[in-house]
Amino acid sequence: DTAVSQTPKYLVTQMGNDKSIKCEQNLGHDTMYWYKQDSKKFLKIMFSYNNKELIINETVPNRFSPKSPDKAHLNLHINSLELGDSAVYFCASSLGVAGELFFGEGSRLTVL
Amino acid sequence: GNSVTQMEGPVTLSEEAFLTINCTYTATGYPSLFWYVQYPGEGLQLLLKATKADDKGSNKGFEATYRKETTSFHLEKGSVQVSDSAVYFCALIKAAGNKLTFGGGTRVLVKP
Repeated sequence: DTAVSQTPKYLVTQMGNDKSIKCEQNLGHDTMYWYKQDSKKFLKIMFSYNNKELIINETVPNRFSPKSPDKAHLNLHINSLELGDSAVYFCASSLGVAGELFFGEGSRLTVL
Repeated sequence: GNSVTQMEGPVTLSEEAFLTINCTYTATGYPSLFWYVQYPGEGLQLLLKATKADDKGSNKGFEATYRKETTSFHLEKGSVQVSDSAVYFCALIKAAGNKLTFGGGTRVLVKP
C-alpha cells in the first residue's frame, strides 16, 4: 500500500489550461503539504493544511488553490497555467506540524 | 528567517570512497535538523535526524552530528555504494515550528 499517493504522475498541458493534482495519504496523519521542486531540484513549500485548516500559505500566485476535503486528502488546482509552472509537485504528510514528512512520488507537470 | 545552505553538486565519487556533504543553517532558537534523500524518480525519504545539540543521527551507514557552535549538520558516509547515488537534502524545522525548510540539494553520483 502506498502511504502517500499522487495522481497523475505525469501531466503535459498547454498554457492557459486549468489542471488538478490529487493527493491521498493512508498514514492517519493530520497535516499535509504541497512542495514545488524546480528543474534545479530546489524544493519550496507552497501550502500546508492541518486538520483541513490552512496553516501555511507561502508566496504563491492565487492561480494555485489547494483544497482539503478531509484530513487524508489535499488536492492542488492550478488555473491559467504558465510555462513557469513546469516543475515536479510533491505532496507530503506528517503527524503533527513538526513531525517527520512522508513524501509522495511527485507529479511532473510540463506546460507547453 | 530560517535558511539552510548546502554544498552544490554534483559530487562524483568512486565506489567505497568517503562522502561528506556540508550543510550549515541559520535559525533562531534550537531547530531540529534532518537529511532527506531523493533517489531517481522517487519522492524524498527521511535519511536521519537530530533534535538537539551534539545529537548524532545515523542510518544506512550515514551519519551527521548537530553542531550548534558551528551551526552545521554535515552528512558523512565512510564507504559509498553505487546505490547511494541520489540527491541529498539538508533541512530544518524550528522547535514547535510548522515548516520544514530545505537546502538546495546536493546530487551525488557514485561510479563503480
